[in-house]
Amino acid sequence: QLQLQESGPGLVKPSETLSLTCTVSGGSISSNNYFWGWIRQPPGKGLEWVASIDYRGNTYYNPSLNGRVTISVDTSKNQFSLKLRSVTAADTAIYYCAVICSGGSCGIDPWGQGTLVTVSS
Amino acid sequence: EIVMTQSPATLSVSPGEGATLSCRASQSVSSSLAWYQQKPGQAPRLLIYGASIRVSSIPVRFSGSGSGTEFTLTISSLQSEDFAVYYCQQYDNWPLTFGGGTKVEIK
Repeated sequence: QLQLQESGPGLVKPSETLSLTCTVSGGSISSNNYFWGWIRQPPGKGLEWVASIDYRGNTYYNPSLNGRVTISVDTSKNQFSLKLRSVTAADTAIYYCAVICSGGSCGIDPWGQGTLVTVSS
Repeated sequence: EIVMTQSPATLSVSPGEGATLSCRASQSVSSSLAWYQQKPGQAPRLLIYGASIRVSSIPVRFSGSGSGTEFTLTISSLQSEDFAVYYCQQYDNWPLTFGGGTKVEIK
């Protein structure tokens, strides 16, 4: 059973880069069954998909982030990562890592517990 | 980008009553539609995918229907643990998009 856990700084200064890592356990990140990804949720607001990467390394990004985001996989550590550049207060959110699709069925499951990232000086 | 619109924003229901939540897509998403439940302080939980396929661990009182642009999540008899926010999400096209959510509250 797959489990995901986010890690990274909880506070980032404006204009700097937000960097988060998701550690996957219970399965291989190299499996051709999975698409991996990040979703965020500003406090008290709704969900926004941020980025995904498939087992071939193809990446998919939310255009609303204006090219500021990069998702990557580290197979040696069974992890995938998110980098969001030039952050502002609007990027303050709970960031969830998740399995976006598995076994040909999409529907985001499972999710990590989420990590709150605050952008503030 | 496909815009997902959920209604109503808030639904007040008494325990034991049924609830019907709606989700509309700005263009057809076929059956590429998922529903999630989110409780305060928790990550969302997948309930339904493929518009009507219930996740095995989800109680049978949850059911999904629809295709194309109109979708419905029905909770047949609300239990105390069902009061939460529900989101729909399309995965027919990138970018993946979510509806704004429906909060189901105790009447």
